[in-house]
Amino acid sequence: GQSLEQPSEVTAVEGAIVQINCTYQTSGFYGLSWYQQHDGGAPTFLSYNALDGLEETGRFSSFLSRSDSYGYLLLQELQMKDSASYFCAVRDQSGTYKYIFGTGTRLKVLA
Amino acid sequence: NAGVTQTPKFQVLKTGQSMTLQCAQDMNHNSMYWYRQDPGMGLRLIYYSASEGTTDKGEVPNGYNVSRLNKREFSLRLESAAPSQTSVYFCASSETGQGPDTQYFGPGTRLTVL
Repeated sequence: GQSLEQPSEVTAVEGAIVQINCTYQTSGFYGLSWYQQHDGGAPTFLSYNALDGLEETGRFSSFLSRSDSYGYLLLQELQMKDSASYFCAVRDQSGTYKYIFGTGTRLKVLA
Repeated sequence: NAGVTQTPKFQVLKTGQSMTLQCAQDMNHNSMYWYRQDPGMGLRLIYYSASEGTTDKGEVPNGYNVSRLNKREFSLRLESAAPSQTSVYFCASSETGQGPDTQYFGPGTRLTVL
């Protein structure tokens, strides 16, 4: 089957850098996406890697290595508002349009 | 531009009751999705519609039916609600095939089945 595994929880202090990992088992996918979800809210798109390497979007960067079946989201200069859950996701390449979300990582930012 | 809208926002049902969750998008997207999210858990795909007139099962379709009424609207029906269907339901849409296939989510429907 297809699965994307993430650590369940990560804690860091304001101003720090944190990395959220995503390891996957899937036969093929178009790219790796990252979504942020605050408590009580809906997921919102953060970042996307179509190719291997690093993509930078402001304080957030995302990395993909297809050969290692691995990706990560890097959050720099952490702020209290970054406390949220983060999900990696892929669109299946089998000819369907199914999206598969990771297990999710809850980030707690401490003052 | 409202994006993706869902109704209702909250609903309480008794076991065995039926209801339909409504979803509409105004971004002219081809693909629409229904997910459920249980407390502290990730998103699980219930059903999706790659284009108007087509629907397919996702990971957890049992107990649900869907209708892609037109390009804008995608409804989810619970025929006989069970306590195990207590969850938050999210509808999403995307323009599949272009770039990151970004999923745009509605605000969610919080459903409790007693």
